[in-house]
Amino acid sequence: QVQPRESGPRLVKPSETLSLTCTVSGGSINSGSSYWSWIRQPAGKGLEWIGRFYISGPTSVNPSLKSRVTISADTSRNEFSLNLTSATAADTAVYYCAGRNGDPSYFDYWGQGILVTVSS
Amino acid sequence: SYVLTQPPSVSVAPGKTARITCGGDNFGTKSVSWYQQRPGQAPVLVIYFDSDRPSGIPERFSGSNSGNTATLTITRVEAGDEADYFCQVWDSTSDHYVFGSGTKVTVL
Repeated sequence: QVQPRESGPRLVKPSETLSLTCTVSGGSINSGSSYWSWIRQPAGKGLEWIGRFYISGPTSVNPSLKSRVTISADTSRNEFSLNLTSATAADTAVYYCAGRNGDPSYFDYWGQGILVTVSS
Repeated sequence: SYVLTQPPSVSVAPGKTARITCGGDNFGTKSVSWYQQRPGQAPVLVIYFDSDRPSGIPERFSGSNSGNTATLTITRVEAGDEADYFCQVWDSTSDHYVFGSGTKVTVL
């Protein structure tokens, strides 16, 4: 059973960089057909796709966040990461990693989510 | 940017049928997925490729996609179906993903 898990600081100061890691167990992110995304959800609001890692192609990022988002991977650890620079209170949300092997159009596996608060 | 429109809420009595719509342009060129999210939990995939159900999802959940509207139908609604439901598409041209605003299903 593929199981992703988010980790990282739960409190980030304004203007600093929000950094999270998703560790995937039960499946390899190095597979040629493996797609993994970051998705966030502010309290009481909807889901927002942030960006996607794909080993065999370029990283894809939501245009609204493109200038602040970097997604990278450490395949030796079977994990991928999110860096969101210049954090503000508007970035306070539950952050999920989600993905699947095969067709990239939907998300099979979801982490439990991690609440990150941007506050001084 | 691509926008998916969902009604904010749908109320349904137990045993009845709930229908949740998702509107968007050129749906015919995209496949729609649906997720159920119970309070405090991560989303769960309930429909993909417009109408396919993952293993473990009850047959009471079905999906359709016609023109500019996709619909998630839940028959014989149970109390446990009370949740937020989100539609989602992948635009293969831009390689971007979009979620609908979500619909809260309340079981009366």
